[in-house]
Amino acid sequence: AQTVTQSQPEMSVQEAETVTLSCTYDTSESDYYLFWYKQPPSRQMILVIRQEAYKQQNATENRFSVNFQKAAKSFSLKISDSQLGDAAMYFCAYSQVRGAQKLVFGQGTRLTINP
Amino acid sequence: GAVVSQHPSWVICKSGTSVKIECRSLDFQATTMFWYRQFPKQSLMLMATSNEGSKATYEQGVEKDKFLINHASLTLSTLTVTSAHPEDSSFYICSARKTGGHGYTFGSGTRLTVV
Repeated sequence: AQTVTQSQPEMSVQEAETVTLSCTYDTSESDYYLFWYKQPPSRQMILVIRQEAYKQQNATENRFSVNFQKAAKSFSLKISDSQLGDAAMYFCAYSQVRGAQKLVFGQGTRLTINP
Repeated sequence: GAVVSQHPSWVICKSGTSVKIECRSLDFQATTMFWYRQFPKQSLMLMATSNEGSKATYEQGVEKDKFLINHASLTLSTLTVTSAHPEDSSFYICSARKTGGHGYTFGSGTRLTVV
């Protein structure tokens, strides 16, 4: 079974600084998708970024970028120029390309932005 | 963009009664929908995968007779919590995957309180 591990329950960063959230996963599949979701206090799940495993290039969305290391099964999220609105729970997630394609989530990292 | 409407946002019910939660994709067809449960300060735990026109697939440990899932159309899935008890109090979130696509759109969640 696939598993996703986020080893940092909480992280904090100064406003305008850069922070990196860690995620590792375990799978025997060669093709899959990885995601980072943000859950603010409203609890609405918001997609931050998505990475397809067959793509070597790291995904980037404005201030958000990932470091995808397929061999190491690592998928970290870097947030540049942190803003107060970035404060939230961040979940790393995995899904297979084939089959049910259900999302498997990590435990989450609570990110605090210090003004 | 893809929108999923989930209702109600919150509900309080008496122990022993049943509660129905609706998840509706507003602007796309969703062959597959997923139901998650989230306890305070914890991650999303997949309860079941709902496929249009067929029986839902439940995760291990989830009581299918207690959590009834119906996916009668390509835009609507419902979760009914039967004979609710206080331990069923939680935050329930649905997610829909667009037919033929690989993106996930989440509903805004339902906070269930059983008294």
